[in-house]
This record gives sequence, C-alpha cells and structure tokens, in this order.
Amino acid sequence: EPEVTQTPSHQVTQMGQEVILRCVPISNHLYFYWYRQILGQKVEFLVSFYNNEISEKSEIFDDQFSVERPDGSNFTLKIRSTKLEDSAMYFCASSEGSGVQFFGPGTRLTVL
Amino acid sequence: SQKIEQNSEALNIQEGKTATLTCNYTNYSPAYLQWYRQDPGRGPVFLLLIRENEKEKRKERLKVTFDTTLKQSLFHITASQPADSATYLCALPPRPGGYNKLIFGAGTRLAVHP
Repeated sequence: EPEVTQTPSHQVTQMGQEVILRCVPISNHLYFYWYRQILGQKVEFLVSFYNNEISEKSEIFDDQFSVERPDGSNFTLKIRSTKLEDSAMYFCASSEGSGVQFFGPGTRLTVL
Repeated sequence: SQKIEQNSEALNIQEGKTATLTCNYTNYSPAYLQWYRQDPGRGPVFLLLIRENEKEKRKERLKVTFDTTLKQSLFHITASQPADSATYLCALPPRPGGYNKLIFGAGTRLAVHP
C-alpha cells in the first residue's frame, strides 16, 4: 500500500542552524502539507502546497520557514535559523483532493 | 474561528466493551469530519470520514455519527481490543466547504484493558 515517507526520523541541531526535513508524498497525490506537534499538544497546520505553490500558511509559518518540491517526488520543509521552540514532531501529509490526508511517520526535531 | 473539543481525560474500558468518544465543534458545521488514530511518536492514521449529509458511517468495528444540530460527532469502537489503545483525533476543515487544511482536536486517549 502506498505511504508517505519522511527522513530523517530524528534530527538534532543547534539553535540558529538550518535544517531541511524531507518527505516523499504518495505518488499520484496533488496536495501536500506540513504539520507540527509539540510534545503533549495538538497537531497544528503549518502550510499547504498545490500546483507548485503555497496555497495556505499559518501564522507559525513565518519567514524562517520555506517549502519546496524540487523534483516532482520530494517535498521539503526548510527552517533557516532554528529556535528552541521549533522542537517538535513534524509531519508531512498528502491528499488526492478528497479531504482525506495521509500522514508520514514524522521527523522529531530537537533544537539544543 | 472553529474550535474542536474532545474529552481530554483518558477513557479506560474493558476488552470486549464498546468505546464511545466524543467530538464537539463550536462554530459552523463543516462539509465533513474525520477521525484519525495516533500512536505515541507516530503520525495520525486516517480511519473514517463522514460528510455533513451522512448521519452514520461504519467500517468493520468502527462507527461514526455526525449530528449537525448538536454540532457533535461520536466515534464508537465495538468489541474493543487492547490493540485499539491509542489516541483518537477528530479533525475537520476550518471553513465551510473547505478542502484544504485540517484542524485537529487535542484527542482522547483510549486504554483497553484485558
């Protein structure tokens, strides 16, 4: 069964460093998303991406964040200068447009 | 803005019983509502979607109801098993008819004891 994959599973970085989180969505899906979940809190929407551009972003998704679909299969989230409060699980999701979203296993980001 | 309320206390039930979880929303009725399962340290896994014109949806041991008058969805697991122990999340689009992002409730943790 097709699934969303994410790498790495765990990323440890120093405050102020750049990180890139990678995702491979399900191949025939057209809509892509990033969500994050701080430990013990709700899953929160960050950004959605359709037709090679951002379709919506939350107030969390400030200028430090960017997304890219560099090659038609990967979907990346870049955080330019990480802060302590960026420590969270980051989930990639994809959808064919029905509303159902399929989530990856997540990347645990730890900022020291 | 839309708010989702799920019982934050864990639900403890005996194996074989029916678990019933509640999701209430506060604003407009969404075009659809979804339920996901989340295990510790893992991503949400889609379980069921119910549309605003559907009263009930079933899938194997799972049943979801949607009452737009009460602004409530109920999620039932019949003949529960210890393997059903997880956190169950309610999710819906933030706008009427919206098909883009999802907003999630905080989830209800279910523990099924042998």
